[in-house]
Amino acid sequence: GESVGLHLPTLSVQEGDNSIINCAYSNSASDYFIWYKQESGKGPQFIIDIRSNMDKRQGQRVTVLLNKTVKHLSLQIAATQPGDSAVYFCAEKSYDKVIFGPGTSLSVIP
Amino acid sequence: EPEVTQTPSHQVTQMGQEVILRCVPISNHLYFYWYRQILGQKVEFLVSFYNNEISEKSEIFDDQFSVERPDGSNFTLKIRSTKLEDSAMYFCASSSGGRNTEAFFGQGTRLTVV
Repeated sequence: GESVGLHLPTLSVQEGDNSIINCAYSNSASDYFIWYKQESGKGPQFIIDIRSNMDKRQGQRVTVLLNKTVKHLSLQIAATQPGDSAVYFCAEKSYDKVIFGPGTSLSVIP
Repeated sequence: EPEVTQTPSHQVTQMGQEVILRCVPISNHLYFYWYRQILGQKVEFLVSFYNNEISEKSEIFDDQFSVERPDGSNFTLKIRSTKLEDSAMYFCASSSGGRNTEAFFGQGTRLTVV
């Protein structure tokens, strides 16, 4: 079956450093991916998405990289801030559902 | 900015009781979803709803669960006879389109079954 999973369950970074969160997926037919941020007690919040016809997409301080050959996604956060502390989920979106990975907890050390 | 709203934010119920969780999706969206997140775990898909019918459901979504869109704005999740293991955060989401459009999530309802 299809699944989306993460390499690292926790990540601690110094404020101002760059963060990289990784994700593996197993369904080679997946063609649309989303990164969500979830703060404590809140719902998943859309950060950035990428379609399979792209290798890289940039937003404000965030970049998503897609390597279809090895079925790997990463989320890069530049100049990490305390407000970036949260759980980050990669997800695959199809018509009928979003499939979430297990999540990586990012802690920013001031 | 339009958002998905959910009520109540916290629901405490006795085991065996029925609960209804309510959601107001973003107004022009066509696809609606319910998800569940047990504390400390990942977000799990329950059900998707399109064109007034269930389009897909997971193994979790058994006969105890049902969804309804009773009017043009609300989308509800009913659990007929709650069990202790139903305690979780329940998130509603909506999407304007199909495959390559993002889903927006509400803030969730924390369901506690005692």
